[in-house]
Amino acid sequence: AQKITQTQPGMFVQEKEAVTLDCTYDTSDPSYGLFWYKQPSSGEMIFLIYQGSYDQQNATEGRYSLNFQKARKSANLVISASQLGDSAMYFCAMREGIFLSNTGNQFYFGTGTSLTVIP
Amino acid sequence: DVKVTQSSRYLVKRTGEKVFLECVQDMDHENMFWYRQDPGLGLRLIYFSYDVKMKEKGDIPEGYSVSREKKERFSLILESASTNQTSMYLCASSLLAGEYNEQFFGPGTRLTVL
Repeated sequence: AQKITQTQPGMFVQEKEAVTLDCTYDTSDPSYGLFWYKQPSSGEMIFLIYQGSYDQQNATEGRYSLNFQKARKSANLVISASQLGDSAMYFCAMREGIFLSNTGNQFYFGTGTSLTVIP
Repeated sequence: DVKVTQSSRYLVKRTGEKVFLECVQDMDHENMFWYRQDPGLGLRLIYFSYDVKMKEKGDIPEGYSVSREKKERFSLILESASTNQTSMYLCASSLLAGEYNEQFFGPGTRLTVL
């Protein structure tokens, strides 16, 4: 079974509008972390936002927020007020065993969502 | 700033050649990772290492080996390159312990095997 599932291969959004990128995950570990990364056409991976499984509140980072629904095992990324520079691939990732130092090293990535912002 | 560097941005090799991809990080991270990225498949883990001389297989280790002789350097080796190893290769590093330790990525190496 896939650990991370991103069901939207491509998305379009009008500039200045908000967009939600979906991510569902599969784990039986109670201690896990969820990450979102952005990959522009230049290729570098840029860390955007993090949500821990025990965090009581949804994570926010500037225009990025994470809609964390633990019971549904979903961690959707919300980008508000989209900008042309937001056009990129977006990857959801998970790490299990986050409080352990000798395990929980492996990250599991989804297949990504390609976001295009339309002027 | 954390910096992860990779020896080449673009590399062209011939089938059967031995290929070395080098990755260096300057933030004293214990963990280092090698991924390959292919369209529609996302990032797939090849190998990772959590200490010098230690290595763990990822999801797709076949056809690859790794070496970690120094903490800051993690090498990916293609013993006999094949055309199906044409891909983007990404190196990453992270701290060993701690909840918030995200992975920091290098710029990637686009390898073409002819």
